[in-house]
Amino acid sequence: KAGVTQTPRYLIKTRGQQVTLSCSPISGHRSVSWYQQTPGQGLQFLFEYFSETQRNKGNFPGRFSGRQFSNSRSEMNVSTLELGDSALYLCASNVGTGGYNEQFFGPGTRLTVL
Amino acid sequence: GNSVTQMEGPVTLSEEAFLTINCTYTATGYPSLFWYVQYPGEGLQLLLKATKADDKGSNKGFEATYRKETTSFHLEKGSVQVSDSAVYFCALSDRNFGNEKLTFGTGTRLTIIP
Repeated sequence: KAGVTQTPRYLIKTRGQQVTLSCSPISGHRSVSWYQQTPGQGLQFLFEYFSETQRNKGNFPGRFSGRQFSNSRSEMNVSTLELGDSALYLCASNVGTGGYNEQFFGPGTRLTVL
Repeated sequence: GNSVTQMEGPVTLSEEAFLTINCTYTATGYPSLFWYVQYPGEGLQLLLKATKADDKGSNKGFEATYRKETTSFHLEKGSVQVSDSAVYFCALSDRNFGNEKLTFGTGTRLTIIP
């Protein structure tokens, strides 16, 4: 069974630009969550999508957005990039029916903002 | 809100030493508890989990017991190996449908020297 895949793995952007990251969950998983990992703030929850609807949202500004497609693939977008957006962005998938809540993580996309 | 407090790192041990990484949590209700491990350049991998009080999660020689009375989930291993060098994250999640969010501790970097 293929794991969670994220593309691209590495990305370099400049301030003010926007970026789109992609995540393909494990087959059959309907929930996709996104996390930001930085040395200073650690792992922080961005949002979660389930059946194409945002179900949970963390405390990030509106520049961070996402969506989920009918095949459960998800994208997150960051507009007007700031230096502080440099981070490892991790995507996680799970079945989405609650209770157990085991999340399976992808390898991440390393975003560098110059 | 939910929170996880994790032992500050880094931790350096000799091979075959005993390992303990402390983790305590604050949560409403009865969360599920997890230990994740992150190897250099990779995403997070689930190491072990426990879903109710007094459950013991175990995997690859690592163990952790869900202690509701002390709100703790300490990670232990009797004899560490060089290959255990990684960053370890304690995490919790609500066990409710519709909330797949994980709350993480700050992570503990473990280095094992031969």
